[in-house]
Amino acid sequence: EIVLTQSPGTLSLSPGERATLSCRASQSVSSSYLAWYQQKPGRAPRLLIYGASSRATGIPDRFSGSGSGTDFTLTISRLEPEDFAVYYCQQYGSSPPLSFGGGTTVEIK
Amino acid sequence: QVQLQESGPGLVKPSETLSLTCTVSGGSVSSGSYYWSWIRQPPGKGLEWIGYVYYNGGTNYNPSLKSRVTISVDSSKNQFSLKLTSVTAADTAIYYCARLLVGVKGVDYWGQGTLVTVSS
Repeated sequence: EIVLTQSPGTLSLSPGERATLSCRASQSVSSSYLAWYQQKPGRAPRLLIYGASSRATGIPDRFSGSGSGTDFTLTISRLEPEDFAVYYCQQYGSSPPLSFGGGTTVEIK
Repeated sequence: QVQLQESGPGLVKPSETLSLTCTVSGGSVSSGSYYWSWIRQPPGKGLEWIGYVYYNGGTNYNPSLKSRVTISVDSSKNQFSLKLTSVTAADTAIYYCARLLVGVKGVDYWGQGTLVTVSS
């Protein structure tokens, strides 16, 4: 079973700062099938990144994804007020066929 | 614009069956480009994938729920449905229907979510 571990659990930053979020898999994950989502309170998640590094439609270029194998990173180059939210990584491919990490909360410092 | 809308009871008794339907507009469940999925989120917690159905009726389920889950598709109504049997309080969650892209395996459209509470 692949387990996705996200760190840190909470990231306290100020607007304008850089955010670096980690997603580590217990086994190798295909880069083609690693995605990142943003979720705000009371809302459904929104797809940010797919294929580890491709931005979804309409996603600003301050969001970027990287990584391969077992280590993946979501970077927000300069935090805007609307970026404070919970972020999830997701993999597809191995048992279970699809799973999510536990999430990282980016909060205003 | 693609929209997904969940419908079904918001309260289910323990040991009974949870049944939800997702109505898709602006797109077709008969497309081979998508897996039609159910994902849930207990209040204040993370996301859990339940399973998906393909346009031809093929399914894939989370092994942890497989014995209790059935997902089906109705192309005549442009809907897909979830049945979860023998529910307990641990099944209390916001249930989302969602569209998973076959190519890149990311979820590009989500319903707004519906809270289902399991309680007597």
